[in-house]
Amino acid sequence: AQKITQTQPGMFVQEKEAVTLDCTYDTSDPSYGLFWYKQPSSGEMIFLIYQGSYDQQNATEGRYSLNFQKARKSANLVISASQLGDSAMYFCAMRYFGNEKLTFGTGTRLTIIP
Amino acid sequence: GEEVAQTPKHLVRGEGQKAKLYCAPIKGHSYVFWYQQVLKNEFKFLISFQNENVFDETGMPKERFSAKCLPNSPCSLEIQATKLEDSAVYFCASSPTGQGAQNIQYFGAGTRLSVL
Repeated sequence: AQKITQTQPGMFVQEKEAVTLDCTYDTSDPSYGLFWYKQPSSGEMIFLIYQGSYDQQNATEGRYSLNFQKARKSANLVISASQLGDSAMYFCAMRYFGNEKLTFGTGTRLTIIP
Repeated sequence: GEEVAQTPKHLVRGEGQKAKLYCAPIKGHSYVFWYQQVLKNEFKFLISFQNENVFDETGMPKERFSAKCLPNSPCSLEIQATKLEDSAVYFCASSPTGQGAQNIQYFGAGTRLSVL
C-alpha cells in the first residue's frame, strides 16, 4: 500500500525566508504522481505543484519548487521568499496511475512570522 | 462551471438523521472523487466516479454511505443514519481524465457535516 509521510507537524518561518516542507513516500510501483496542496484557514484545497515519477526535471511553479529525489523517495516542497499569505496547512499526496485516488500525508502547518 | 461547486457549506444533523451532500464537477471533467477530512489533517478516500459509473468504491462504508453521479445532475453523497463519527469535512474533487500524467484533482470548498 502506498504511504505518504510528513514528519513536520508545524513550522515557523520568518517572512521572506525560504522554507522546505518534507515529504517521503513509500511505493513499489514505478508509475505515480506526487502533488502538493495548500489548505488555508478558510478550508479550501488549493493545488500547488505536480511531479511525475518519470519527470527528469524538478517541477517549478512560480515561488514553489519540488525537490524530487526518486532514489530517496522524497518530494519536498520549497517555497522561496515566503509571504504572510503562505501561512496554511500543506499536504503532500500521491496517486498511482490507473488507481486514481489521492493518498495524503498528515500535513504540515506553516506559520510565517512578520 | 470553472470550479467544483459543493453544497451546502455546512450541514447540521442529529444522530440517526440522513445527510445529503452535493457536488457539481468542473464542466468537461470525467472523474469525480469524494474525500472525508477529519481532525483537520486526515484525508480518507471514499469513492470515485468515471462519468456516471463507479470507478473505485473501496473507501466507502457501504452500510450507511451511498453516492451517485447521474447525467445532467450534481453528484451526491448520502449518509443514512448519521453517527457522531461522521462529523467531518467532505470534499469533492474532479479531474479531466483519471489516467495519465498531470491529471490534477481540483477540489471544491467542502461541506462541513456536524452530527450532534
